[in-house]
Amino acid sequence: GQQVMQIPQYQHVQEGEDFTTYCNSSTTLSNIQWYKQRPGGHPVFLIQLVKSGEVKKQKRLTFQFGEAKKNSSLHITATQTTDVGTYFCAGPHRGQNFVFGPGTRLSVLP
Amino acid sequence: DTAVSQTPKYLVTQMGNDKSIKCEQNLGHDTMYWYKQDSKKFLKIMFSYNNKELIINETVPNRFSPKSPDKAHLNLHINSLELGDSAVYFCASSQGRQGRTEAFFGQGTRLTVV
Repeated sequence: GQQVMQIPQYQHVQEGEDFTTYCNSSTTLSNIQWYKQRPGGHPVFLIQLVKSGEVKKQKRLTFQFGEAKKNSSLHITATQTTDVGTYFCAGPHRGQNFVFGPGTRLSVLP
Repeated sequence: DTAVSQTPKYLVTQMGNDKSIKCEQNLGHDTMYWYKQDSKKFLKIMFSYNNKELIINETVPNRFSPKSPDKAHLNLHINSLELGDSAVYFCASSQGRQGRTEAFFGQGTRLTVV
């Protein structure tokens, strides 16, 4: 079945450093979503990518969808302590429900 | 006004008990979901409910049953609770099937089975 994997599982950075998490699917995805979950919180939608090779930016966050639509990345420039949390990618499973990747847990040291 | 609300926020109960978690959304969405997040933070979909069509994740034990009295509510009933059911359960909703539009999550219910 379709699986969505993410690397790294954990990332510790110094405040001001950049951070990237990668999402990989075993099958081609029609689209992909990214969510952020703060510690003790609930997942919050960040963005959806649909087109092959698509790049979207939200302030310091840059999202990319691979040309083959089997991978995606989230890059944060100059991390801040407010970026702490777990970042999930999610892709469609069997054309219906979304399967979430295992997430990348980001720690930012001040 | 909370978009997706779950009650209770915390639930501690003994093994073997039956419990329910309620979920309501005021977004007018037509699809609702239940997710389970374990201690390793893995988010696994349990059910989705769209226009009276229930899609069940085949790995979910039949002790778990969703009940939707109307489009704005999707409650989760759990029979004969087991220790392994301890987790955070999230309700979510979206307009249309998830993937076309964003999903909005509730605050979560932390279930502890002792």
